[in-house]
Amino acid sequence: AQKITQTQPGMFVQEKEAVTLDCTYDTSDPSYGLFWYKQPSSGEMIFLIYQGSYDQQNATEGRYSLNFQKARKSANLVISASQLGDSAMYFCAMREGRDQGAQKLVFGQGTRLTINP
Amino acid sequence: EPEVTQTPSHQVTQMGQEVILRCVPISNHLYFYWYRQILGQKVEFLVSFYNNEISEKSEIFDDQFSVERPDGSNFTLKIRSTKLEDSAMYFCASSQPWTVGETQYFGPGTRLLVL
Repeated sequence: AQKITQTQPGMFVQEKEAVTLDCTYDTSDPSYGLFWYKQPSSGEMIFLIYQGSYDQQNATEGRYSLNFQKARKSANLVISASQLGDSAMYFCAMREGRDQGAQKLVFGQGTRLTINP
Repeated sequence: EPEVTQTPSHQVTQMGQEVILRCVPISNHLYFYWYRQILGQKVEFLVSFYNNEISEKSEIFDDQFSVERPDGSNFTLKIRSTKLEDSAMYFCASSQPWTVGETQYFGPGTRLLVL
């Protein structure tokens, strides 16, 4: 069974600092994908970044990077130079299986990030 | 940039009533999903849909729920007889096959309140 664990219910960071949001996962499938989504107070789910289990390099998207440690089964999100607009709920999610098919995402409980000015 | 749209944004209904939540996925996407998020909790998978049939459904998706793609653009979730515990935010998502990650893009959600 899939499992995603986000151990930080809330984090408070000063503006312009970097922040790391933790995510660990559990799967027996050798092929899987890991995703991070941002949910602002308005409620929508915004895709941030993707990492495939076979990817050799850590994914990066602008200020977002994913610290992927496969042996530890962790996929931490790093936000560099945080901004006030980064304040939101952040969800880690995993999809098992090959890169094809309408396969579900399993989400963690989320981390509420607050950026202080 | 193409996006998933959902209507209505909010719906209030009485227990036992039927509701239909509507979604327009991104036009070239072929995989469709419904998720729900009870207030303050994590996002939970309900159902996935491809080629006019359900690919997978969760334990939550019981006989009260159904999905349909009535035309080439809409994707609907019907709850036949709503219960108080159906109150949640319902998200539609879509993804494109044969792309890296087959990333699921979410709509803005429908907030359903059952009284």
